[in-house]
Amino acid sequence: AQRVTQPEKLLSVFKGAPVELKCNYSYSGSPELFWYVQYSRQRLQLLLRHISRESIKGFTADLNKGETSFHLKKPFAQEEDSAMYYCASFSGNTPLVFGKGTRLSVIA
Amino acid sequence: DTGVSQNPRHKITKRGQNVTFRCDPISEHNRLYWYRQTLGQGPEFLTYFQNEAQLEKSRLLSDRFSAERPKGSFSTLEIQRTEQGDSAMYLCASSSHGNTIYFGEGSWLTVV
Repeated sequence: AQRVTQPEKLLSVFKGAPVELKCNYSYSGSPELFWYVQYSRQRLQLLLRHISRESIKGFTADLNKGETSFHLKKPFAQEEDSAMYYCASFSGNTPLVFGKGTRLSVIA
Repeated sequence: DTGVSQNPRHKITKRGQNVTFRCDPISEHNRLYWYRQTLGQGPEFLTYFQNEAQLEKSRLLSDRFSAERPKGSFSTLEIQRTEQGDSAMYLCASSSHGNTIYFGEGSWLTVV
């Protein structure tokens, strides 16, 4: 069964500091990986997906198949980045499976 | 707003009562998903539809939970004989042919 692990429940960083939110997945095939974000009082929304290889709001994520990881990174955190971040994966007809999420708090 | 719409947004019910949530997906999205989210957890998959066909329902939490999408458009999630453990956020999402999944704002259920 697919499993997505986000080891940190809470990550606090100072404004301007680099951010790395960790995500590891377990799946033997070729999953698609996503990062979703939920800002306070807003709906869950897609931040980025690995196949598009985009940089959204300064965030990037690289799929490392050897380490089965898809860590989310940003070089300089901003206060408006404070939110819940969820890593998710799916493959073929399987449902999108989410990790438990990491709350990012950016301190001014 | 043409996003995924859910109602009611909040529901407080007494234990043992039945509740029904409605989801209107983004127009012409053929896939519709239901998830549940409790505090401190990520969204947990419950079931999904492709058009009117329910393709996966083994993850529904018990036989008290059922979902329908009779005409391939809106969907309902019903919980019968609610229990306090059913208190959670129920999320609906939709997508087109397995592409990006878009979520609604969710329906909060409190069972007292």
